[in-house]
Amino acid sequence: QKEVEQNSGPLSVPEGAIASLNCTYSDRVSQSFFWYRQYSGKSPELIMSIYSNGDKEDGRFTAQLNKASQYVSLLIRDSQPSDSATYLCAVKSPPGGGADGLTFGKGTHLIIQP
Amino acid sequence: DAGVIQSPRHEVTEMGQEVTLRCKPISGHDYLFWYRQTMMRGLELLIYFNNNVPIDDSGMPEDRFSAKMPNASFSTLKIQPSEPRDSAVYFCASSPAGGRVYEQYFGPGTRLTVT
Repeated sequence: QKEVEQNSGPLSVPEGAIASLNCTYSDRVSQSFFWYRQYSGKSPELIMSIYSNGDKEDGRFTAQLNKASQYVSLLIRDSQPSDSATYLCAVKSPPGGGADGLTFGKGTHLIIQP
Repeated sequence: DAGVIQSPRHEVTEMGQEVTLRCKPISGHDYLFWYRQTMMRGLELLIYFNNNVPIDDSGMPEDRFSAKMPNASFSTLKIQPSEPRDSAVYFCASSPAGGRVYEQYFGPGTRLTVT
């Protein structure tokens, strides 16, 4: 069974610092990786996707992927109180290896302290 | 543009009753997904459709759950009979075809409480 593991937190980070969120996955053939942000009482919102090893930057967000270690992370620079949310890691296996749906981790609750 | 629309937003029902959740995907999206979210199990895929055809329902917990997509703009998830353990937030998501199929856009969810 495919698994996606995240530390549930809460992870508390002071405003302006870098928040680092981590995720590991069990299915070695996974190809696509996503980070979703979910505010309390709201629906998940896609913020980053990454498909190849290395770093991908988008504004204050950087996704990092290491397929050999089966590890994906999200860095948030210059953290703002509005970044306080639960961050869900999601993984997609290649076609034929499962559904076109995503396997989600349970999320890390991030708190940015003003 | 309107996002994914779900109704009702909240549903409270008694054990044994039938529950029907509704979803309207984003116009032009070819894929529709139904997820369930609980504190214990997180976000779980129940079933998904491609061009109105059910592709994978292996996540549907048991025969009490059924889903339909009669046309490109409407889908339902039905629970009959409902049980207290079905209490959760149910999300519908849609995505376009091609390389962006994994960019899923979620609706606001239906919070279901079964007493």
